[in-house]
Amino acid sequence: EAQVTQNPRYLITVTGKKLTVTCSQNMNHEYMSWYRQDPGLGLRQIYYSMNVEVTDKGDVPEGYKVSRKEKRNFPLILESPSPNQTSLYFCASSFDRAGANVLTFGAGSRLTVL
Amino acid sequence: GENVEQHPSTLSVQEGDSAVIKCTYSDSASNYFPWYKQELGKRPQLIIDIRSNVGEKKDQRIAVTLNKTAKHFSLHITETQPEDSAVYFCAASIIQGAQKLVFGQGTRLTINP
Repeated sequence: EAQVTQNPRYLITVTGKKLTVTCSQNMNHEYMSWYRQDPGLGLRQIYYSMNVEVTDKGDVPEGYKVSRKEKRNFPLILESPSPNQTSLYFCASSFDRAGANVLTFGAGSRLTVL
Repeated sequence: GENVEQHPSTLSVQEGDSAVIKCTYSDSASNYFPWYKQELGKRPQLIIDIRSNVGEKKDQRIAVTLNKTAKHFSLHITETQPEDSAVYFCAASIIQGAQKLVFGQGTRLTINP
């Protein structure tokens, strides 16, 4: 089944404790991206990647890191989480060619930072 | 960069009535406008999209209209049903780049029986 898989789905952590949210897709998509969803703010892009070893900042990259060492994986790293990073996070992927850039989203990861 | 404004933030309609959600965008270069639906506790999923070379697109009870001159586009749902209750997001981008997709703030649509 074609899908984007995120883990963990739920996480409660404390300020300053490094964490990684994994994202994996099995559709051979070139493009992958991380979004955070907050009430009243919609989906805001954190980072995106056009292909292996190619990443770039989205609209809200502060406090996050990413890497793209393999085409299928795009982990989101919070080096020192803070309470304002409490949010619902979505990974998404798509092909990167005209007319084929429909996003497939993962199930979401709800993160709480105390 | 692109900025997408979406209204209203919440919308409540009686079952069977129509619902309209409106979005405006700022970048005249944008030419791809998708709509995503997010049911409670689920992931967003594409329900319909429109490209700038057409003014309207329909898919059963759902339609999207685009006014490029005014830089706004709208989602129309007719004969609403309980399963239409969800959060709807509009977005805009340049067609070649998924990376440029900018989302609106979302509209929570509630269908009252």
